[in-house]
Amino acid sequence: SQTIHQWPATLVQPVGSPLSLECTVEGTSNPNLYWYRQAAGRGLQLLFYSVGIGQISSEVPQNLSASRPQDRQFILSSKKLLLSDSGFYLCAWSVKGPSGAFFGQGTRLTVV
Amino acid sequence: DAKTTQPTSMDCAEGRAANLPCNHSTISGNEYVYWYRQIHSQGPQYIIHGLKNNETNEMASLIITEDRKSSTLILPHATLRDTAVYYCIDKNTGNQFYFGTGTSLTVIP
Repeated sequence: SQTIHQWPATLVQPVGSPLSLECTVEGTSNPNLYWYRQAAGRGLQLLFYSVGIGQISSEVPQNLSASRPQDRQFILSSKKLLLSDSGFYLCAWSVKGPSGAFFGQGTRLTVV
Repeated sequence: DAKTTQPTSMDCAEGRAANLPCNHSTISGNEYVYWYRQIHSQGPQYIIHGLKNNETNEMASLIITEDRKSSTLILPHATLRDTAVYYCIDKNTGNQFYFGTGTSLTVIP
């Protein structure tokens, strides 16, 4: 069966520090991969999605970037965090075609 | 951006059916309707999806109107653990899932 791993679960980082969040998927190949952010009390905002290695689409201009160095690995990064980067970051995967997306347990990031 | 509209909140008595409506009046012929739910502080959980036929699985039933402009998610016997925010999404064959603000369902003992 397929599983998605996302870590860490919580993270507190100072303003201006770098960020790297990693997400890996097991049990499937060539998945679509997604990064979402959820600010406190708000809905989910799609940040990036990827249909394959090295293929990244950005949904909103921001202080973040994403990379997909391997088929089942998706990384969210920032060179310098801002206070507004605080939130709940979720990674998700789906197979190609009309199927649902399956989410990890998320990383709660607090920038101080 | 999300193209669906849902009521902000709903209550349901424990043991009764919870019927959550969704309006997707701009849906096109190849767009599926997906439902997810999010329990506080967790990642969203996929529930069900459909194109034009009604669908049922172990979690819920999805009723899609004949014109496909709206749908209803049915939780047949709501429990306290079904308290969550429920999201309805319409998605074409592209790759993006856009979430709106959803319906906050509270199951009351």
